[in-house]
Amino acid sequence: AQSVTQPDIHITVSEGASLELRCNYSYGATPYLFWYVQSPGQGLQLLLKYFSGDTLVQGIKGFEAEFKRSQSSFNLRKPSVHWSDAAEYFCAVGPPEYGNKLVFGAGTILRVKS
Amino acid sequence: DGGITQSPKYLFRKEGQNVTLSCEQNLNHDAMYWYRQDPGQGLRLIYYSQIVNDFQKGDIAEGYSVSREKKESFPLTVTSAQKNPTAFYLCASSVQGGVDTEAFFGQGTRLTVV
Repeated sequence: AQSVTQPDIHITVSEGASLELRCNYSYGATPYLFWYVQSPGQGLQLLLKYFSGDTLVQGIKGFEAEFKRSQSSFNLRKPSVHWSDAAEYFCAVGPPEYGNKLVFGAGTILRVKS
Repeated sequence: DGGITQSPKYLFRKEGQNVTLSCEQNLNHDAMYWYRQDPGQGLRLIYYSQIVNDFQKGDIAEGYSVSREKKESFPLTVTSAQKNPTAFYLCASSVQGGVDTEAFFGQGTRLTVV
């Protein structure tokens, strides 16, 4: 069965610093990969997704993610964090036959200090 | 504005009672989903529906039931058989189940058993 691991429960970065959130997946074939962001008490917003092609994917709000097949990873990055980026971030995988039937990681809570 | 509406935002239930969470979308989406979110566990799929009058169990369907009588509506009933129903529930929808479509999430319903 597919699974997603986000090793970091909490991460704190200074405003203006770079950010990398880790995501590792377990899946028999190449899955479809997603990053979502959630503000407290709210729904989820899609940041970016990878289906195929270029392994470096650009998303909204200045985020990007890189798919590395050899490492089974799909890490999320941002070169300069803003205070408004403080939220919880979820990595998710979807099977090729039904991409939106998602399996989520446990999430990483991002705190931004000024 | 098009979107997904979940109601109510907060719901309190006594032990032993069934309760129904509402999810309505005006995006003309075929597919709809229910997820349960618990702290530190990410989101887990309860039920999903690809078309009216059809739905499938997700990973944690026990103690829950759904119906899909109309395209725009996918209510979730939390029954008394659900052992630990206190959680945040998220509804989502997508154009279809295909991988090249984005799932849009509602704002969630927080259910508390008292």
